[in-house]
Amino acid sequence: KNEVEQSPQNLTAQEGEFITINCSYSVGISALHWLQQHPGGGIVSLFMLSSGKKKHGRLIATINIQEKHSSLHITASHPRDSAVYICAVAGNQFYFGTGTSLTVIP
Amino acid sequence: GAGVSQSPSNKVTEKGKDVELRCDPISGHTALYWYRQSLGQGLEFLIYFQGNSAPDKSGLPSDRFSAERTGGSVSTLTIQRTQQEDSAVYLCASSPDRRETQYFGPGTRLLVL
Repeated sequence: KNEVEQSPQNLTAQEGEFITINCSYSVGISALHWLQQHPGGGIVSLFMLSSGKKKHGRLIATINIQEKHSSLHITASHPRDSAVYICAVAGNQFYFGTGTSLTVIP
Repeated sequence: GAGVSQSPSNKVTEKGKDVELRCDPISGHTALYWYRQSLGQGLEFLIYFQGNSAPDKSGLPSDRFSAERTGGSVSTLTIQRTQQEDSAVYLCASSPDRRETQYFGPGTRLLVL
């Protein structure tokens, strides 16, 4: 049983497309994180949110606490967005999704 | 400013040996986290420190794993009697407070032969 489910597992998009990655969770949480992991392994925290919506550049993250669901949107996707995007929730401990591997083709 | 640093960056060891991994968090960050990412697997939470204390040790996979943090700064993760299944990238992250964004280190790649 996975406490955090992400979809899709893999995603290929053309440059410029609007991208959505979904995350559903089954535990009570205090916060949800979206992480980005580039080839080579470095991890960057993109967002931490506990309600509503946050925007940073072309990235938007939303969370619906009642539905236990979050989405990460990328507008005007670019090849440099190619990475693995990981959803993580902070409850009694941390639980991670298995990640969504995104490839943006020029 | 300096980010989270980890050492060594790579470690190869023989099965049964002990290893010690080090994490230097960002100065002033009170929260420190250890995670593990096995090849082809997702991230796995190991342990969390608030200051020098570890209120949550639930993620440590066995009693061969231990961690400490001294002076509210540097942390070491020790794996005793390493096994091949311990091979993974061990990641450290820190944040000003548990409720704030985490900053990740580059990781230590551990290979147990």
